[in-house]
Amino acid sequence: NAGVTQTPKFRILKIGQSMTLQCAQDMNHNYMYWYRQDPGMGLKLIYYSVGAGITDKGEVPNGYNVSRSTTEDFPLRLELAAPSQTSVYFCASSEAGLQFFGPGTRLTVV
Amino acid sequence: GENVEQHPSTLSVQEGDSAVIKCTYSDSASNYFPWYKQELGKRPQLIIDIRSNVGEKKDQRIAVTLNKTAKHFSLHITETQPEDSAVYFCAGPLGDDKIIFGKGTRLHILP
Repeated sequence: NAGVTQTPKFRILKIGQSMTLQCAQDMNHNYMYWYRQDPGMGLKLIYYSVGAGITDKGEVPNGYNVSRSTTEDFPLRLELAAPSQTSVYFCASSEAGLQFFGPGTRLTVV
Repeated sequence: GENVEQHPSTLSVQEGDSAVIKCTYSDSASNYFPWYKQELGKRPQLIIDIRSNVGEKKDQRIAVTLNKTAKHFSLHITETQPEDSAVYFCAGPLGDDKIIFGKGTRLHILP
């Protein structure tokens, strides 16, 4: 099993550009999450999903969108990137509360 | 509102001494209490967890204790070693679906 995979690993965006961060898991987990981690800080929940077709907002959803068309994939969309969205983004999936994290995407908005 | 509070934010201990990190939670329905370790530049990884039907769980040098009455759970690391230096996060569920992390504790092991 590959576990949770994320692409890209790194990305530099210009202010106002858009992009999609990809996340996939092969463990057949229903629950998936997107977190952002600013330098030296903790993990903040952006969006989560309890199954295909179902998504819900976390603590910091503004500026982001998600979709969950399949159990495996949970992409995060950034529209109109802003410098405040510079962060490391982690995707995770979980089973019975136990979370498995992807390797992260380091995003810089300039 | 519902949250997870973690203390201290920074902890320095002499190599070989013990370290204790504490988290309090507000959702009395919580029944799963994990601890994650994050090394610099890496993803968080689960190091130990406990469910609400037990009060303590040990795995070699690390242990987690749970006090459901007081709504807190703690991570204990004994005989600390340089490789224990990292950021540690507790987490707790909010309702049935969300998982919220504490703000983290940066642990420094001093030589």
